[in-house]
Amino acid sequence: DIQMTQSPSTLSASVGDRVTITCRASQSISSWLAWYQQKPGKAPKFLIYRASSLESGVPSRFSGSGSGTEFTLTISSLQPDDFATYYCQQYNSYPWTFGQGTKVEIK
Amino acid sequence: EVQLVESGGGLIQPGGSLRLSCAASGSTVSSDHMSWVRQAPGKGLEWVSDIYGGGSTYYADSVKGRFTISRDNSKNTLYLQMNSLRAEDTAVYYCARGSRGGPLDYWGQGTLVTVSS
Repeated sequence: DIQMTQSPSTLSASVGDRVTITCRASQSISSWLAWYQQKPGKAPKFLIYRASSLESGVPSRFSGSGSGTEFTLTISSLQPDDFATYYCQQYNSYPWTFGQGTKVEIK
Repeated sequence: EVQLVESGGGLIQPGGSLRLSCAASGSTVSSDHMSWVRQAPGKGLEWVSDIYGGGSTYYADSVKGRFTISRDNSKNTLYLQMNSLRAEDTAVYYCARGSRGGPLDYWGQGTLVTVSS
């Protein structure tokens, strides 16, 4: 199975900060990576596919990059609505696997 | 717009069975790629099972042989039959639609399954 490791596990930041979350795969997954945002008690929201393609309707302050085994999710200017937990997911091969999550909290 | 509504969760004793349903609108379960993903209390997301339009199915090792994914095309509904339930199956179960070969673009609100005596 492909293991996905996110860092950090928790990130404290202020509104307006630039935030970067890293996701590493235990083997190459090409660009078959998605990012999701989840708020407490809610279903995940789809943000990015194929490592860097923004889903329709997602604010442009979100961006993704990377290929192979190392990927990043960047929020260029953190907004109040962005405080949440973020997950990466590989869909290169079954079983699909998620990272353990990165909680972005208010500093 | 795609809407997915799960139902069927509840409290069940270890060893018991439960069937979850996911009613879809704005999406056709018979042709779309559909998934079940679960989240144990306070934990991260865990992929459970997939079904494709052609009928191919996939399962996580943790549920293989105990869970079965299926669909009723006439009701446009996705199912997850869960047998031999264990305490570690306790989680919120989400159904989701796959797109672009994999990522899950629409999710239901989830249904809680609690396995406890």
